Amino acid sequence: DQQVKQNSPSLSVQEGRISILNCDYTNSMFDYFLWYKKYPAEGPTFLISISSIKDKNEDGRFTVFLNKSAKHLSLHIVPSQPGDSAVYFCAARAGGTSYGKLTFGQGTILTVHP
Amino acid sequence: DGGITQSPKYLFRKEGQNVTLSCEQNLNHDAMYWYRQDPGQGLRLIYYSQIVNDFQKGDIAEGYSVSREKKESFPLTVTSAQKNPTAFYLCASSIAQLNTEAFFGQGTRLTVV
Repeated sequence: DQQVKQNSPSLSVQEGRISILNCDYTNSMFDYFLWYKKYPAEGPTFLISISSIKDKNEDGRFTVFLNKSAKHLSLHIVPSQPGDSAVYFCAARAGGTSYGKLTFGQGTILTVHP
Repeated sequence: DGGITQSPKYLFRKEGQNVTLSCEQNLNHDAMYWYRQDPGQGLRLIYYSQIVNDFQKGDIAEGYSVSREKKESFPLTVTSAQKNPTAFYLCASSIAQLNTEAFFGQGTRLTVV
């Protein structure tokens, strides 16, 4: 039962353009969502998060949008840079659970071409 | 520098042997977690601990064991009962507060031959 899904295994974008990574979830108890970036053979690093009481959160080039009715969130990276090339994981936490007990999507490989 | 240290980075074991993966944090975080990553899959939770001397099973705890005798340390033992132990193992920690992120170590690649 995949509660968090990233349906696009990969995304290729030209440098300077927008990257949009998508994530869908099924568990209506999820109330906090995070995006992590991961390089091969390394641990994930936190990028940005959003609480279910918001529909948008921005941090520099990164913006996360949350559509609760559609159970969908997306990460926008503008402008995309070659250093953004990595695997991006969407993660969610259910209300009332342990603080870091996250459910992850399968990941999307982002490649930004110079 | 504060952070989470996992050791070793690469580990090889023969089938049927137990192996213990180390995870130490100096972030003064109360909660610690173990995740497993397989190719093409997301991270899956093995065990987690919110306080010393207490831990709970995650989604895929079978074949694994943990201990939390110190706040800084959360070692994971992969036992011979784990049917597919070869994977990338990630340790994480977080503060005991809602709406906060978990911080991850660099991971241990375990290969069982």
